[in-house]
Amino acid sequence: DQQVKQNSPSLSVQEGRISILNCDYTNSMFDYFLWYKKYPAEGPTFLISISSIKDKNEDGRFTVFLNKSAKHLSLHIVPSQPGDSAVYFCAASEGDYGQNFVFGPGTRLSVLP
Amino acid sequence: DAGVIQSPRHEVTEMGQEVTLRCKPISGHNSLFWYRQTMMRGLELLIYFNNNVPIDDSGMPEDRFSAKMPNASFSTLKIQPSEPRDSAVYFCASSLTQRYGYTFGSGTRLTVV
Repeated sequence: DQQVKQNSPSLSVQEGRISILNCDYTNSMFDYFLWYKKYPAEGPTFLISISSIKDKNEDGRFTVFLNKSAKHLSLHIVPSQPGDSAVYFCAASEGDYGQNFVFGPGTRLSVLP
Repeated sequence: DAGVIQSPRHEVTEMGQEVTLRCKPISGHNSLFWYRQTMMRGLELLIYFNNNVPIDDSGMPEDRFSAKMPNASFSTLKIQPSEPRDSAVYFCASSLTQRYGYTFGSGTRLTVV
């Protein structure tokens, strides 16, 4: 049973518009969340994180929102650029020093010029 | 820093053969993780080490899989005997104790024919 779900396998967005990638989790003990971006033939790279004590974290064009009651988080990319085209993974862990991150299956984002 | 280094990048082997994947983590990182990526299951944690000690190997699919970390700068993942269903991309990642996410290697694409 998947503890971290990304129900949209793929998403296409026009350049300049907003991309919203969603992630749901089932384990209420998860308290730290990460987003990774992966290009073909490369390893995933860390993008942005959020702790459960916050409901929003921003880094440039990237913002992650966390809704603990709904066990839902989302990644917003504004404005979207063609270079953002990649697979995005959501990951979650529990505990103050949790090392065991559980990854979602990923969403492939295509930003169309 | 050269990042997490994995070898080989590609491996094609015949069913029944032994396969050894190698990983050199980032110097100073004290945790090392082996992940497998498949289309069906996304990124799955196979095993992780903390200070060279295996902490959680519950993700190792079968006894055919084994992993070692003889020192802080080297780890291996071995599959013996290999089977076609082991075909996947295997990622190694390392991190510090703090939860700043992992740094992934570029992966080894394994094909078992």
